[in-house]
Amino acid sequence: AQTVTQSQPEMSVQEAETVTLSCTYDTSESDYYLFWYKQPPSRQMILVIRQEAYKQQNATENRFSVNFQKAAKSFSLKISDSQLGDAAMYFCAYTSSGAGSYQLTFGKGTKLSVIP
Amino acid sequence: KAGVTQTPRYLIKTRGQQVTLSCSPISGHRSVSWYQQTPGQGLQFLFEYFSETQRNKGNFPGRFSGRQFSNSRSEMNVSTLELGDSALYLCASRIQASSYEQYFGPGTRLTVT
Repeated sequence: AQTVTQSQPEMSVQEAETVTLSCTYDTSESDYYLFWYKQPPSRQMILVIRQEAYKQQNATENRFSVNFQKAAKSFSLKISDSQLGDAAMYFCAYTSSGAGSYQLTFGKGTKLSVIP
Repeated sequence: KAGVTQTPRYLIKTRGQQVTLSCSPISGHRSVSWYQQTPGQGLQFLFEYFSETQRNKGNFPGRFSGRQFSNSRSEMNVSTLELGDSALYLCASRIQASSYEQYFGPGTRLTVT
């Protein structure tokens, strides 16, 4: 079974600084997808960034970028120029079509606080 | 385009009762998945529906069931509620079976007393 591990339950960052959230996963699949979701206190789960395993280039979305290390099964999220609105729970998630559907397997999450 | 909607947003039920939650996917999306979120277990996959057929089911007891209608709207039902069923229930939709990207609704907060 696939597992996703986020080893940092909580992190904090100064406004305008950079922070990196860690995620490792375990899978025997060769074709899969990885995501970072953001869940603010309002509870709406928002897709932040996605990475296809077959792509070597790391995904970027504005201030958000990932460091995808396929051999190490590592998928970290870097947030640059942190803003107060970035404060939220961040979940790393994995999916593949191996189970017949694209069910998501989530990590336990990292609570990010942004200090003004 | 409107996002995924879930109703009701909050629900309080008593042990032993049953509950039905509703999810309307993004227009044009044909797949709906359900997840349970609790502080202890985190986010866990319940089941997925595509074109009115259940494609996959997570490791939950038979008290948890669901269905999907021809307009892609989905309902999940929990019978004989237990205190441990208190959770945030999230629905996610994706456009088709081969699409891997899921979009979540705001969730239904179920409290069982």
